[in-house]
Amino acid sequence: GENVEQHPSTLSVQEGDSAVIKCTYSDSASNYFPWYKQELGKRPQLIIDIRSNVGEKKDQRIAVTLNKTAKHFSLHITETQPEDSAVYFCAASITGNQFYFGTGTSLTVIP
Amino acid sequence: GAVVSQHPSRVICKSGTSVKIECRSLDFQATTMFWYRQFPKKSLMLMATSNEGSKATYEQGVEKDKFLINHASLTLSTLTVTSAHPEDSSFYICSAREGEWGIETQYFGPGTRLLVL
Repeated sequence: GENVEQHPSTLSVQEGDSAVIKCTYSDSASNYFPWYKQELGKRPQLIIDIRSNVGEKKDQRIAVTLNKTAKHFSLHITETQPEDSAVYFCAASITGNQFYFGTGTSLTVIP
Repeated sequence: GAVVSQHPSRVICKSGTSVKIECRSLDFQATTMFWYRQFPKKSLMLMATSNEGSKATYEQGVEKDKFLINHASLTLSTLTVTSAHPEDSSFYICSAREGEWGIETQYFGPGTRLLVL
C-alpha cells in the first residue's frame, strides 16, 4: 500500500517567518494530495489540496507544490502567525478512495 | 460547509463489552465513509473504507471481526468495537465524502475517545 513520510516532525519559527513541511509518497497512482491542520483536541481541517495535474496551488498565505516525478509535495506557509500553531498532516489518495496520512508536523509559531 | 457528526464523543467501558460509534453526514449524502484511529500525538491510521450498501474494505492488520463497520445509509456509518480490551483505547475519527467524480474532499467528524478499563 501507499507509504507517506513527512518531515520535520516538529518545527518552530518566529512570527512572520515562513514554514515549509515536506512529504514523500510511494504509490505513483496517487493523484490527490490534501493537507490538514489539527488543533489540540479538534478534528482535522482541510487547508489546501492539490491534484496531480497541477504543479502548484496557492491560497493567500498557504501554498502547496507537487513534484510527481520525485513523488514529493510540500506545504509552504508565509508570514506565519501564532494562530498557525497546530499539527499539520499531509495525505495521499487515489481519487479520494483511500487516504494515507503522513506522521504529522507540530508547528509552533513564536510571537 | 459539509458537516459530519460523531456520537458519542467519549465513552468508557469495561473490558469485554462492545461499543458502537456512529458517524453521520448532516447536510450531504456520503457515498464513502472512512474510519481512522489516532494515538496521542500520532498520525491518523486508516482502519477501513466503507461504501454505502457494501462491505467495508479493511486495511492490512485491522481485524474485521473486531471492528465491525456498517454503512447502511448514505448518511450513517457505524463502527462497533467488539469485546473491547484496554489496548483498544484510542481516539476514533470518521470522515465522509460525497463520492461525486472529481470531489475527493473528505470531511471529518469530531472524533470519539474510547477508554476501555
